[in-house]
Amino acid sequence: EAGVTQSPTHLIKTRGQQATLRCSPISGHTSVYWYQQALGLGLQFLLWYDEGEERNRGNFPPRFSGRQFPNYSSELNVNALELEDSALYLCASKITLRGEQPQHFGDGTRLSIL
Amino acid sequence: GNSVTQMEGPVTLSEEAFLTINCTYTATGYPSLFWYVQYPGEGLQLLLKATKADDKGSNKGFEATYRKETTSFHLEKGSVQVSDSAVYFCALWNTNAGKSTFGDGTTLTVKP
Repeated sequence: EAGVTQSPTHLIKTRGQQATLRCSPISGHTSVYWYQQALGLGLQFLLWYDEGEERNRGNFPPRFSGRQFPNYSSELNVNALELEDSALYLCASKITLRGEQPQHFGDGTRLSIL
Repeated sequence: GNSVTQMEGPVTLSEEAFLTINCTYTATGYPSLFWYVQYPGEGLQLLLKATKADDKGSNKGFEATYRKETTSFHLEKGSVQVSDSAVYFCALWNTNAGKSTFGDGTTLTVKP
């Protein structure tokens, strides 16, 4: 069974640009979660999508947005990039709307802002 | 709101030493608790979990007990190996909010 896959592995941008990160959940999983792992700040919850809808979002500005497609894959978009957006962005998926913490994570996209 | 506080790292141990990584939490309701491990260059992997008070999660020699009275979920292993070197994250899951809260992670280095 293929795990959660994320692309690209690395992404280098400059301040003010826009970044798009992609996530494909495990087959059959309908919920996708996005997290930011910034150096020294641990893992922060960003967004949760289920069945194509945004269910919850963390304490991030509106320039962080995303969407979930009919095949349950997801995009995370970050507009007007700032230096502090440099981080590892992790995607996770799970099978049900309710229940436990997602247990399957991708390897992440390393976003570097120059 | 919810929060998770982990023991600060880095932690450096010799092979076969005993490991404890402390984790305490604050939460509304009755969260589920988790430990994740992140090996170098990889994403997070679920290590173990506990869904209610007094539950003990265990996997690969690691254990943690959900202690409601002390709001803790300390990770332990009796004899660590070099291959256990990784970053360990404690997390809680609030079902009602559909939201995870993670600790900052503790880096463990095991030397031969």
